[in-house]
Amino acid sequence: VQLVQSGAEVKKPGASVKVSCEASGYTFTSYYMHWVRQAPGQGLEWMGIIKPSGGGTNYAQKFQGRVTMTRDTSTSTVYMELSSLRSEDTAVYYCARRGSSASFFDFWGQGSLVTVSS
Amino acid sequence: DIQLTQSPSFLSASVGDRVTITCRASQGISNYLAWYQQKPGKAPKLLIYVASTLQSGVPSRFSGSGSGTEFTLTISSLQPEDFATYYCQQLNSYPLTFGGGTKVEIK
Repeated sequence: VQLVQSGAEVKKPGASVKVSCEASGYTFTSYYMHWVRQAPGQGLEWMGIIKPSGGGTNYAQKFQGRVTMTRDTSTSTVYMELSSLRSEDTAVYYCARRGSSASFFDFWGQGSLVTVSS
Repeated sequence: DIQLTQSPSFLSASVGDRVTITCRASQGISNYLAWYQQKPGKAPKLLIYVASTLQSGVPSRFSGSGSGTEFTLTISSLQPEDFATYYCQQLNSYPLTFGGGTKVEIK
């Protein structure tokens, strides 16, 4: 199993960013995918989940209206787009696969650093 | 939202020490708790799930216990590679939440 994320991005306040996570080594549509972020020197924050088979999503209320998670089954890739960026959104963004029992995240991407700065 | 409070937030220990980290939930979460280890610049790594089940490949010096609102992660004999930050996570209900982390440093 491998989750390979897109590279670092620098964005201006008010812009949007779209981070990708390409999955390999397993059946993409069989496992939900989560997104988690971590601000510099801070803890982990759950953002939401997407079901790759049907595209259904569940977002943390904090990000409702600003986050969109999508998937492309033809390339086994999930995407997380965050809009109206502000400096507080500077963080490393991770995709993480939900385990088969839904009781853990068993594989994580390497992380994508998003820096929001004017 | 369910809040997870980890203690201590920082601990200094020596190789060979027994280390215990506590995670308290603001409401009952049955046994839907996982523990992760994170080293600087790396993604978190799953250690334990459903409170006490060791993930495949994780050394047996790691163990977890608890249910309801109080949980513990124990490292029976701290090894040099165990110096890291540890997070608990509840998967009982959305939004999923993490504890604030416990940084384990070398004494």
